[in-house]
Amino acid sequence: KAGVTQTPRYLIKTRGQQVTLSCSPISGHRSVSWYQQTPGQGLQFLFEYFSETQRNKGNFPGRFSGRQFSNSRSEMNVSTLELGDSALYLCASSAGTPGDTQYFGPGTRLTVL
Amino acid sequence: SQQGEEDPQALSIQEGENATMNCSYKTSINNLQWYRQNSGRGLVHLILIRSNEREKHSGRLRVTLDTSKKSSSLLITASRAADTASYFCATDAYSGAGSYQLTFGKGTKLSVIP
Repeated sequence: KAGVTQTPRYLIKTRGQQVTLSCSPISGHRSVSWYQQTPGQGLQFLFEYFSETQRNKGNFPGRFSGRQFSNSRSEMNVSTLELGDSALYLCASSAGTPGDTQYFGPGTRLTVL
Repeated sequence: SQQGEEDPQALSIQEGENATMNCSYKTSINNLQWYRQNSGRGLVHLILIRSNEREKHSGRLRVTLDTSKKSSSLLITASRAADTASYFCATDAYSGAGSYQLTFGKGTKLSVIP
């Protein structure tokens, strides 16, 4: 099976812009979770989508949003970018049953100038 | 917020030696997972141990879980230069609405010197 894919791998944006990141889960997986990784805060949970519904949300401002399509692919959007949004954004997919292993993609490195 | 805290933050050993990393957490969990990350890349799943298990092995990896002390350890035996990476523990706990959420520690940076 192909692994989790994320596009693009690298992005450079300026403050105030918005950005959309994409994640394609492993075939058959219905759950996609998003995480932000920064040197200061480490890995932090953003949100989880299961069958096109947001099932769980972390403690991030409303500028961070996401959605999931019927084929389980997911997108994450960040509006009005701030310098502090520079991070590695990782998505992970799983079958969606409690306790399942989450499989991570390679990440999107976002730099905000 | 960080649930798991790894110890030590950094570890440097010679090739062939064993490496032990510890993780402590705060709340009840469903399972605990260990991941490896090479230099800013994606996370690779290493091993999952359920809350009713005490020890698990996978190749050169051995994980223990002590739910009474809310702690886990990851042992890598006969380390290789290729094991150089950051290692994270992640606790999987029920977060409501049928969802379980992974909460990560800040990781242990392991350097294996050839």
